[in-house]
Amino acid sequence: QKEVEQDPGPLSVPEGAIVSLNCTYSNSAFQYFMWYRQYSRKGPELLMYTYSSGNKEDGRFTAQVDKSSKYISLFIRDSQPSDSATYLCAMSPLGGYNKLIFGAGTRLAVHP
Amino acid sequence: SAVISQKPSRDICQRGTSLTIQCQVDSQVTMMFWYRQQPGQSLTLIATANQGSEATYESGFVIDKFPISRPNLTFSTLTVSNMSPEDSSIYLCSVGVGLDGTEAFFGQGTRLTVV
Repeated sequence: QKEVEQDPGPLSVPEGAIVSLNCTYSNSAFQYFMWYRQYSRKGPELLMYTYSSGNKEDGRFTAQVDKSSKYISLFIRDSQPSDSATYLCAMSPLGGYNKLIFGAGTRLAVHP
Repeated sequence: SAVISQKPSRDICQRGTSLTIQCQVDSQVTMMFWYRQQPGQSLTLIATANQGSEATYESGFVIDKFPISRPNLTFSTLTVSNMSPEDSSIYLCSVGVGLDGTEAFFGQGTRLTVV
């Protein structure tokens, strides 16, 4: 079993839809949770960074962490064609320069 | 945040040769990380590079195949040695910033094709 599971998609939605992207994990020691967006032929771009449980909002993006269920989500409101990319979840067991464990990434396509 | 420049952005290499990838950061960072992203797969950590000490390699990666240098706090190189087609991948440099260093930023990657 992988430490981090993420549905690879692809996920296709119409413009303006609310998108929900999810990851589950098995290691209860994970404390830091991140979402990255990766456009084709580019490096991953940090979107959201969350410590422990709870919600964090940044514009159209909301990250949720439920440590009791070992489940994290990224919601994208009013999705735009420019949101079409691969979204990677990543997590780390400790603060301070620990390696990240990545999900496989979910490919999202937002069509006009 | 951190701005990371990686060179080259892409290369096509003959099997049996070596390629050195450079990573330059716009600020001093304690640790730099090298990842590999194989086609259709997620990122896998190759090694962690500390300035002034030997790199720490993850299971499945060895120094002879992926030697790393870290001469100062803003620069690192990864060499892919004696390449085979299985080494065709995207190689990414990353740094951790912030008080705890957990916010990780990535370079744009080096797309390597071995023929």
